[in-house]
Amino acid sequence: NAGVTQTPKFQVLKTGQSMTLQCAQDMNHEYMSWYRQDPGMGLRLIHYSVGAGITDQGEVPNGYNVSRSTTEDFPLRLLSAAPSQTSVYFCASGAPYTEAFFGQGTRLTVV
Amino acid sequence: AQSVTQLGSHVSVSEGALVLLRCNYSSSVPPYLFWYVQYPNQGLQLLLKYTSAATLVKGINGFEAEFKKSETSFHLTKPSAHMSDAAEYFCAVSHASGGSYIPTFGRGTSLIVHP
Repeated sequence: NAGVTQTPKFQVLKTGQSMTLQCAQDMNHEYMSWYRQDPGMGLRLIHYSVGAGITDQGEVPNGYNVSRSTTEDFPLRLLSAAPSQTSVYFCASGAPYTEAFFGQGTRLTVV
Repeated sequence: AQSVTQLGSHVSVSEGALVLLRCNYSSSVPPYLFWYVQYPNQGLQLLLKYTSAATLVKGINGFEAEFKKSETSFHLTKPSAHMSDAAEYFCAVSHASGGSYIPTFGRGTSLIVHP
């Protein structure tokens, strides 16, 4: 049982480059979300989706795009990477009345 | 709107001592409350959850938490700390806001366990 799968696990980008962080879940969950984790800041919500074709912004959406074309996949796109986007990114999925299930994270460094 | 405040970014205890990690929440509707644990270089895993059933919730690894509506609190406790409990702990709140159950997290508390 895979749960929530994130790829890649590690990534180094140069300032200005773009990339997509992949997230897939096999639990048929309606809700998916992206968080970033920075020291002392906890997990901050970037974008979330409540179903295929429906996305919305979280607390820190600037510089990121998302789309949800299928129930399973919820990719996060960095349009033009900046050093301030150096962070650990977590994807999560969930359903009503249940907890969120997390991937193992992507550690991103922007130089 | 919903929010979570975790008191203390670091808590240090001796092995065998009581563990108490504090969490206060703000929610305009009845909340669902969660505690997650994160070991180094890993994702978050659920310790326990409150979803309006019993106010005292038991979780994995001997942890438990009590929902106190009057105090808007959901503190996490464990009677006797073990070295393997050293980790980052996150409290989270969610509810059916606009049809979503996306949780909001606190800033985390790092638990340090001394021999």
